Amino acid sequence: DGGITQSPKYLFRKEGQNVTLSCEQNLNHDAMYWYRQDPGQGLRLIYYSQIVNDFQKGDIAEGYSVSREKKESFPLTVTSAQKNPTAFYLCASRIGVTSNQPQHFGDGTRLSIL
Amino acid sequence: AQTVTQSQPEMSVQEAETVTLSCTYDTSESNYYLFWYKQPPSRQMILVIRQEAYKQQNATENRFSVNFQKAAKSFSLKISDSQLGDTAMYFCALTGTASKLTFGTGTRLQVTL
Repeated sequence: DGGITQSPKYLFRKEGQNVTLSCEQNLNHDAMYWYRQDPGQGLRLIYYSQIVNDFQKGDIAEGYSVSREKKESFPLTVTSAQKNPTAFYLCASRIGVTSNQPQHFGDGTRLSIL
Repeated sequence: AQTVTQSQPEMSVQEAETVTLSCTYDTSESNYYLFWYKQPPSRQMILVIRQEAYKQQNATENRFSVNFQKAAKSFSLKISDSQLGDTAMYFCALTGTASKLTFGTGTRLQVTL
């Protein structure tokens, strides 16, 4: 079955530690996205990529980094510079860069501070 | 900048009844698209319905329909014959030519017996 796989489902970070959230898709989608979801708030865009080896900052990119070395993969690193990383992180992908195509989402990763 | 506002944090409806969730938005683009996503307790985001701004006809998907008022920048979701499985957070979202999706803060819908 085609879809988006996020791992791990739960992740814990120690102070000063970088952690990486995985996102893999086998839908042959061009564009991929990372969102952060906090209680009482909607999803906020962290980074997005429309093509391999290219990505753009979203609305809350500070303290995060990404790479897009393969079409199927778009890992997100939460660095120690992100002082409040506890949140639910969702990865999404879309078949093209035209806006009429909906984004498809993974099941998310919950990140907590130890 | 584009914004999406959902003014109803929580709503409740009885099974088999109809409920309408409100959404207003603001964008400077002339060509844009609107979506409603559903997030059940499992936290998975599921597309419910979408609307192209250039289409005057309101989108419909089975029990789900929208009331799109372009001049008023309003995009409400109507759920008919509500079912227990409709219990979820509902997010209104907007995207323009920049490929970025902007979400509202969500409406928590509880369907009761």
